[in-house]
Amino acid sequence: GQQLNQSPQSMFIQEGEDVSMNCTSSSIFNTWLWYKQDPGEGPVLLIALYKAGELTSNGRLTAQFGITRKDSFLNISASIPSDVGIYFCAGRLTTDSWGKLQFGAGTQVVVTP
Amino acid sequence: DTGVSQNPRHKITKRGQNVTFRCDPISEHNRLYWYRQTLGQGPEFLTYFQNEAQLEKSRLLSDRFSAERPKGSFSTLEIQRTEQGDSAMYLCASSPGGQGQYFGPGTRLTVT
Repeated sequence: GQQLNQSPQSMFIQEGEDVSMNCTSSSIFNTWLWYKQDPGEGPVLLIALYKAGELTSNGRLTAQFGITRKDSFLNISASIPSDVGIYFCAGRLTTDSWGKLQFGAGTQVVVTP
Repeated sequence: DTGVSQNPRHKITKRGQNVTFRCDPISEHNRLYWYRQTLGQGPEFLTYFQNEAQLEKSRLLSDRFSAERPKGSFSTLEIQRTEQGDSAMYLCASSPGGQGQYFGPGTRLTVT
């Protein structure tokens, strides 16, 4: 089963607002990844984080690898209608040899004009 | 850049039939993963290949499931004697090493 707790489950925001979501776990991860998934499509990689404390941006997206290595957050600034979709966090456990990912249950983002 | 491709994109089958899905990873990626995703959930790991070697299988992968990656290139996932509980999106991802995984568009399986 999934070991990552992702919140919030859904968000309804107005265009131009900022969005924040996070993932927490009781386990320690050595990699955090954030994906966006549109209906009927596969997840698209947005940001990859490899070091505790790392803060990385990709355009209007910013993500951080928590210092405890048990959490990560994603911010989207100045949201636009195409930000609509489901955002997933994914982590790679330090105990995992082969790199499989654990996923959160997703945050559904709805942007209204 | 062709990305990861999967075929077919959709498959409808009757319970008890066998189905096979194909994944073509990004050409220089030696790691290939299969995941399954059900509605409202994140993807769940099924199995992992490094080149042609299958190195890990999830407990989710019952003996009705088999995966291959001959010659370390494309991979196939076969489900025998399908059950309604097998209905899901089957996702393939590839990676060049200990870095991010890049997903294909998935194969949506519906078992009637």
